[in-house]
Amino acid sequence: SAVISQKPSRDICQRGTSLTIQCQVDSQVTMMFWYRQQPGQSLTLIATANQGSEATYESGFVIDKFPISRPNLTFSTLTVSNMSPEDSSIYLCSVLAGTQGATGELFFGEGSRLTVL
Amino acid sequence: LAKTTQPISMDSYEGQEVNITCSHNNIATNDYITWYQQFPSQGPRFIIQGYKTKVTNEVASLFIPADRKSSTLSLPRVSLSDTAVYYCLVGEAGSYQLTFGKGTKLSVIP
Repeated sequence: SAVISQKPSRDICQRGTSLTIQCQVDSQVTMMFWYRQQPGQSLTLIATANQGSEATYESGFVIDKFPISRPNLTFSTLTVSNMSPEDSSIYLCSVLAGTQGATGELFFGEGSRLTVL
Repeated sequence: LAKTTQPISMDSYEGQEVNITCSHNNIATNDYITWYQQFPSQGPRFIIQGYKTKVTNEVASLFIPADRKSSTLSLPRVSLSDTAVYYCLVGEAGSYQLTFGKGTKLSVIP
């Protein structure tokens, strides 16, 4: 299993500013993922972050808007840049760990709820 | 990636068995079916995973017919604490990118 801590848990931000979300895992993991969940919606994968390599972004997400760092096997950050009200969402950090099933098990943090005014 | 279709919402009384069906008509040979549960203000958590026939754990059962074009998550004797959104995911073994569909919002009524 894996325990994930995210900071901040919530924040209110002004339009045009940037915010960095931190994700700390209690064990070393290779695969880390960042998801976005807009109000009342499902989760959308933003990017996959592996230690030692650049993050891989999903369609519709770009590095300039969502730069990601992965300095070691227990930590990652996601920055939401030049925010607009449309970026108001919950951002979730996730790691692949455990041995449940053929595809492994995703563990999620509690999420960081961003409100952009 | 196989697309999944689930009912948007379901209601159930406490103590009843709840069955949530997920359609995945274009599931591939190497795909596994996984269900996650999400409570408000929390990240999703793994419930169960299967490939074919039936899988059971301490929380739920997963029924998968021979053609694997659908699957049914069965929750025995639900309680109010089972009120959550349930997601059905289909993903290839060894592939770590899982796509979340819209999910089913289960409301358990006293």
